[in-house]
Amino acid sequence: DVKVTQSSRYLVKRTGEKVFLECVQDMDHENMFWYRQDPGLGLRLIYFSYDVKMKEKGDIPEGYSVSREKKERFSLILESASTNQTSMYLCASRPQTGGSYEQYFGPGTRLTVT
Amino acid sequence: GESVGLHLPTLSVQEGDNSIINCAYSNSASDYFIWYKQESGKGPQFIIDIRSNMDKRQGQRVTVLLNKTVKHLSLQIAATQPGDSAVYFCAENMGSGGSNYKLTFGKGTLLTVNP
Repeated sequence: DVKVTQSSRYLVKRTGEKVFLECVQDMDHENMFWYRQDPGLGLRLIYFSYDVKMKEKGDIPEGYSVSREKKERFSLILESASTNQTSMYLCASRPQTGGSYEQYFGPGTRLTVT
Repeated sequence: GESVGLHLPTLSVQEGDNSIINCAYSNSASDYFIWYKQESGKGPQFIIDIRSNMDKRQGQRVTVLLNKTVKHLSLQIAATQPGDSAVYFCAENMGSGGSNYKLTFGKGTLLTVNP
């Protein structure tokens, strides 16, 4: 089974702090994604990475950056956390090849910025 | 029903009934569609997918129907059980019309199954 893990289930940070959210997948997937999920807004793509050291902005990249130094790990960075970044953050991965576009999701990190 | 871009609708059914969750999509170039289930406190889990060259696909207790003429997708759950209570998302891949990596998600439908 594909396993996607996220470093924390719950996180509380203060405004202005630098925040790191880590995601690790164990299936050698090339593609990895970071989403945020807010009530009534569904999943919105922040950034994705199609390979090591490769990244591309999603629909809402402002206020975020990412790092992909190793294939299995994709980090989301909030350079200076703000209260409007309080949200559920979901990481996902998928293989580059294959007939399906299915993405495999981690359990999520619920971040609260106070 | 759900549309990529609207507020979260809800559906309440009795245990044992069939459920139908709807999704409208706007991009006629989309060539792949997928349904996810998200239980409270968990990440989304794959249910079933369908390509645009099909109009129906069946899984275990679930059926996805695709009507490209009206750009509509539905998920049917047979004999709904309390364990089916969750938020259901549809998502589309725009194929040659967009990045091959990306899925665009709808806002979800909350299904509540009453015992």
